[in-house]
Amino acid sequence: DVKVTQSSRYLVKRTGEKVFLECVQDMDHENMFWYRQDPGLGLRLIYFSYDVKMKEKGDIPEGYSVSREKKERFSLILESASTNQTSMYLCASTRPPGDLWGYTFGSGTRLTVV
Amino acid sequence: DAKTTQPTSMDCAEGRAANLPCNHSTISGNEYVYWYRQIHSQGPQYIIHGLKNNETNEMASLIITEDRKSSTLILPHATLRDTAVYYCIVSHTGTASKLTFGTGTRLQVTL
Repeated sequence: DVKVTQSSRYLVKRTGEKVFLECVQDMDHENMFWYRQDPGLGLRLIYFSYDVKMKEKGDIPEGYSVSREKKERFSLILESASTNQTSMYLCASTRPPGDLWGYTFGSGTRLTVV
Repeated sequence: DAKTTQPTSMDCAEGRAANLPCNHSTISGNEYVYWYRQIHSQGPQYIIHGLKNNETNEMASLIITEDRKSSTLILPHATLRDTAVYYCIVSHTGTASKLTFGTGTRLQVTL
């Protein structure tokens, strides 16, 4: 089975902390994505990557950055966490090109910023 | 990508067919219709997709109208485990394409 593993299921951080959310996939997928999910707003794309060291902004990149040093790992970074970044964060991966039916999602990380 | 409109919520009795509608009146010729669902506390899961023709797999059927301006996802015999949020997404394929989720339809299957 394709697996997308997110390092933490629940995370509590303080305002101003630097936060790293890690995502690892084991199927040699080129494309990886970070979404956040909030009640009433659905899933919103933060950043995505089509290859190692490549990154593209999604719909809501402000306050976030990403790192893709290895093909299997895609990290989401909150440089200075704020309370409005309290959310469920979901990582996904898929093969190119345009393989929109083959997205595999992780189980999510519920981040609370206090 | 074309915008989609789905009802906020629907109920269905267990064992009956669940028919989930989706409007996508601005769909263009090279855009596909995708359906995903998200069961509580899990990431979204792919169900089915199509371009023009009706499609069926082990999970569901997808009926696309001839003018392609709307579609219906059919779960033929809904079970309690089908309770989830269902997302209809319209998008072209290609290297730069990506899934953009709306708020979906919350399907509640009841006894």
